[in-house]
Amino acid sequence: GNSVTQMEGPVTLSEEAFLTINCTYTATGYPSLFWYVQYPGEGLQLLLKATKADDKGSNKGFEATYRKETTSFHLEKGSVQVSDSAVYFCALRPHTGTASKLTFGTGTRLQVTL
Amino acid sequence: KAGVTQTPRYLIKTRGQQVTLSCSPISGHRSVSWYQQTPGQGLQFLFEYFSETQRNKGNFPGRFSGRQFSNSRSEMNVSTLELGDSALYLCASSLGPGQGTDTQYFGPGTRLTVL
Repeated sequence: GNSVTQMEGPVTLSEEAFLTINCTYTATGYPSLFWYVQYPGEGLQLLLKATKADDKGSNKGFEATYRKETTSFHLEKGSVQVSDSAVYFCALRPHTGTASKLTFGTGTRLQVTL
Repeated sequence: KAGVTQTPRYLIKTRGQQVTLSCSPISGHRSVSWYQQTPGQGLQFLFEYFSETQRNKGNFPGRFSGRQFSNSRSEMNVSTLELGDSALYLCASSLGPGQGTDTQYFGPGTRLTVL
């Protein structure tokens, strides 16, 4: 079946540090890949997505590249801010005809300090 | 465009009761999916509806049910509540099958506490 593996958190960084959150997946075919972010007490917000191999999703300074050869979709940001503190979820959705179900990783909590 | 709305935002129930949660999708979206989020199990898929029909169902007991109305609004119902049903229930809407990537957009969730 499909699965997503994320690095364990929490990840604690100082403001302006470089961020990488690792995500690898197992799926048949070529799924779409997503990063969602969840702030305390809120639902999930779509951060970025990529739909095919070598696509790069980007938003708000965050980037992730769909790597088919390594089945990875690592999230990066060059300079984090305190406001980036949240839980980040990697997810995949298969391209099969009728299934829109998202499969999520366990989430990685990011804490950014001054 | 307004986002996905969920009501109520918070609920407290006791074991054995039943509960109904509501979700209004983004205007023009015809697919609604429901997810349960708990600290122990993470995010788990409950079911998906499109055009008032359940297209996909997760591995949950029959106490969990849902439906979708002709205006794409959706409800989910949990009967005979158990302590383990305490969770954040998230609704997500999307355009529907055959609509490109069909990205799902989430509401703020309903926090259910079962005492």
